[in-house]
Amino acid sequence: GEDVEQSLFLSVREGDSSVINCTYTDSSSTYLYWYKQEPGAGLQLLTYIFSNMDMKQDQRLTVLLNKKDKHLSLRIADTQTGDSAIYFCAESTWGGGGNKLTFGTGTQLKVEL
Amino acid sequence: DTAVSQTPKYLVTQMGNDKSIKCEQNLGHDTMYWYKQDSKKFLKIMFSYNNKELIINETVPNRFSPKSPDKAHLNLHINSLELGDSAVYFCASRYTGSPQRRSPYNEQFFGPGTRLTVL
Repeated sequence: GEDVEQSLFLSVREGDSSVINCTYTDSSSTYLYWYKQEPGAGLQLLTYIFSNMDMKQDQRLTVLLNKKDKHLSLRIADTQTGDSAIYFCAESTWGGGGNKLTFGTGTQLKVEL
Repeated sequence: DTAVSQTPKYLVTQMGNDKSIKCEQNLGHDTMYWYKQDSKKFLKIMFSYNNKELIINETVPNRFSPKSPDKAHLNLHINSLELGDSAVYFCASRYTGSPQRRSPYNEQFFGPGTRLTVL
């Protein structure tokens, strides 16, 4: 199947770290992505990781990839109120003759003061 | 300046009507997509076109008909709208041609979405 699973909600205090987890299904995925969706807005690519990497750091963002367990995580350091949004992981897969993104179920991050 | 644009942003219509959503990208991309985001925020691909040719057609009712008049446009026409069609529809694009122009990580660029409400 193509289900990419995420926990639905995460609530953190401002200044704490947030960790959003994702379990994907296609071991042949070349790239894995994290997208951010603010209320009423489109999807913004936050970061990505190539499948032969274990970790990628990009300013406040750290992506960890465990290929054996098909587990992907996004850590946001020093979480701010502006980080409140829905976060989607996505895997790049081939299907139906073309490349497509298969999205996770999304995690609603709420940052409290 | 908008890279991927969609019109309209909001669409409210009655059941049974026929409506179209338009998408345009000015990035010179050769592949375009339609995704549907339902009320639970779940995002799923519907269609993909490469150089005006349909290459992905997921399990979508044939009431949905995409049309790509040129590489910069991908429109979505929906016949006989049903309540369950209410969702946010996102257009996206990317370049799959020469490696020199390709995004190094196969990035898709998304439009702002069209919120369709069927009453």
